[in-house]
Amino acid sequence: ETGVTQSPTHLIKTRGQQVTLRCSSQSGHNTVSWYQQALGQGPQFIFQYYREEENGRGNFPPRFSGLQFPNYSSELNVNALELDDSALYLCASSSGSSGANVLTFGAGSRLTVL
Amino acid sequence: QKEVEQDPGPLSVPEGAIVSLNCTYSNSAFQYFMWYRQYSRKGPELLMYTYSSGNKEDGRFTAQVDKSSKYISLFIRDSQPSDSATYLCAMSLQKLVFGQGTRLTINP
Repeated sequence: ETGVTQSPTHLIKTRGQQVTLRCSSQSGHNTVSWYQQALGQGPQFIFQYYREEENGRGNFPPRFSGLQFPNYSSELNVNALELDDSALYLCASSSGSSGANVLTFGAGSRLTVL
Repeated sequence: QKEVEQDPGPLSVPEGAIVSLNCTYSNSAFQYFMWYRQYSRKGPELLMYTYSSGNKEDGRFTAQVDKSSKYISLFIRDSQPSDSATYLCAMSLQKLVFGQGTRLTINP
């Protein structure tokens, strides 16, 4: 059973650029959630995808967008990057969209915006 | 006021000590309570998952939930250097809400 894999592991961008982060969910999981973890902080919920539809969104602007594909993998896109977007972006998968479902996290993609 | 408050530490204790980690929360609607452990450069991994008030034990770890006080705790007995990590409390309705995380170091 493979876990959650994310790519790339590290990347550096400049302000105003766009970035795409990718996530492969754990086998058997149909729900993907994305979290942003700033240095020294806990993860903050960005959004969740269930069966290719957005199924909940946190307090993030529209320049944060996502996709889920038929194989349940997912992308997080961030446009017009700002310095405060520098963070660890975590993808988590689960076998359902309920709050009772346990999330399995990937190791994250560390984004630095200069 | 944050929905979930957690003392960020850092907390440093000698090997073998009992460690107590705590979180308070403001939203009485939270139904599920979890503790995650996060090693450096890794994603969070689930340690404990509880639904109701009371205690849940798993090996050296005990999770405690007091819904009336909106307070949860994680106890680590016989702490080991390998327990050194950041511990995150998390609570759930439809999404997980995390505390800030407590950085714990166990000194040999």
